Amino acid sequence: AQRVTQPEKLLSVFKGAPVELKCNYSYSGSPELFWYVQYSRQRLQLLLRHISRESIKGFTADLNKGETSFHLKKPFAQEEDSAMYYCALLSGYSTLTFGKGTMLLVSP
Amino acid sequence: DVKVTQSSRYLVKRTGEKVFLECVQDMDHENMFWYRQDPGLGLRLIYFSYDVKMKEKGDIPEGYSVSREKKERFSLILESASTNQTSMYLCASSRDSGVSPLHFGNGTRLTVT
Repeated sequence: AQRVTQPEKLLSVFKGAPVELKCNYSYSGSPELFWYVQYSRQRLQLLLRHISRESIKGFTADLNKGETSFHLKKPFAQEEDSAMYYCALLSGYSTLTFGKGTMLLVSP
Repeated sequence: DVKVTQSSRYLVKRTGEKVFLECVQDMDHENMFWYRQDPGLGLRLIYFSYDVKMKEKGDIPEGYSVSREKKERFSLILESASTNQTSMYLCASSRDSGVSPLHFGNGTRLTVT
């Protein structure tokens, strides 16, 4: 069965520190993975997807099939990065299975 | 820009009431979804729809039903609301493509007393 695991409920860092939000998945096929973000009082929105191999707002994520991971990274955290982050796996035709989310708090 | 609109931001209902949550999207998306979002549990899929009058159960469909009579509108129905259905409900839509991103509404916070 497909599963997405985000082991940290809360990650607290100082501004300028590196950030890594962990995501591990379980899926028998070829995975399609996404990161979604929800800023305070805003709707949930797509941050990035692995097939695009893009960097959005300084964040990157690399799919590691050997470790079944899709960790989200940013070299220097900013206060405006504080938000709830969800890792998601395409688990069926157009349906996503989400992890439980990690709250990132960036302190000045 | 895609807009997904949920008709109510906050709702308070009594146990046993029939509750309707409405969602409308304006981008002619084929797919629509209902999730509930709970602290510590993340997002869980309740129901989804690939087309008009079509519906599929998600991971937690018990106690819910849906209706999609028009392409742009997807309704979530709680036949007899219970306190364990107190939650944030998120509607989303996407184009008919496996990797098309989901566009979410602002959510409806439902409290059942």
